[in-house]
Amino acid sequence: RKEVEQDPGPFNVPEGATVAFNCTYSNSASQSFFWYRQDCRKEPKLLMSVYSSGNEDGRFTAQLNRASQYISLLIRDSKLSDSATYLCVVKGFQKLVFGTGTRLLVSP
Amino acid sequence: EAGVAQSPRYKIIEKRQSVAFWCNPISGHATLYWYQQILGQGPKLLIQFQNNGVVDDSQLPKDRFSAERLKGVDSTLKIQPAKLEDSAVYLCASSVTGLNQPQHFGDGTRLSIL
Repeated sequence: RKEVEQDPGPFNVPEGATVAFNCTYSNSASQSFFWYRQDCRKEPKLLMSVYSSGNEDGRFTAQLNRASQYISLLIRDSKLSDSATYLCVVKGFQKLVFGTGTRLLVSP
Repeated sequence: EAGVAQSPRYKIIEKRQSVAFWCNPISGHATLYWYQQILGQGPKLLIQFQNNGVVDDSQLPKDRFSAERLKGVDSTLKIQPAKLEDSAVYLCASSVTGLNQPQHFGDGTRLSIL
């Protein structure tokens, strides 16, 4: 089993739609969680950290479920510019593991 | 604030040749990471430094890859000799030390092996 698993997609959604991605992790001792965004041929960029109580940043909401060992990212009112690959990142003791990413395509 | 600097941006070499990449992290970031990202996959950690010491190099193919961060600031990653499967983007990232500190990535070096 991979340490961090994501559905590779692609998720094809129309503008304005709400879309959600899940990510599961295998190490129950994992301590920090992040979502990164990666545009084609660009470096990953931090989208948001994920906190136990859940957190929101504009149209983006991240949730953590430690009991089931998954994190989620919800994007509301999708924009064309949201088209990218979304990487789930899990950090254990000094070790950070990336998922393979979920590709999102938002169409007009 | 200046970001993570990497060079070169692109490199094309033939198999069995050697190549080196350079990274200068964000000023004050004690932790430095080298990742390999193959097309269609997430970044894979090759090596992590805390200042000039190695924290994790468990996934570094040590028969051909080496990395150093002698003065605890900039770092070089070397491949010698290169194989076809080394074609990838090599990303450098840095972070402040701490549990919830995110990493900041450089633009990466795109390596093509012919």
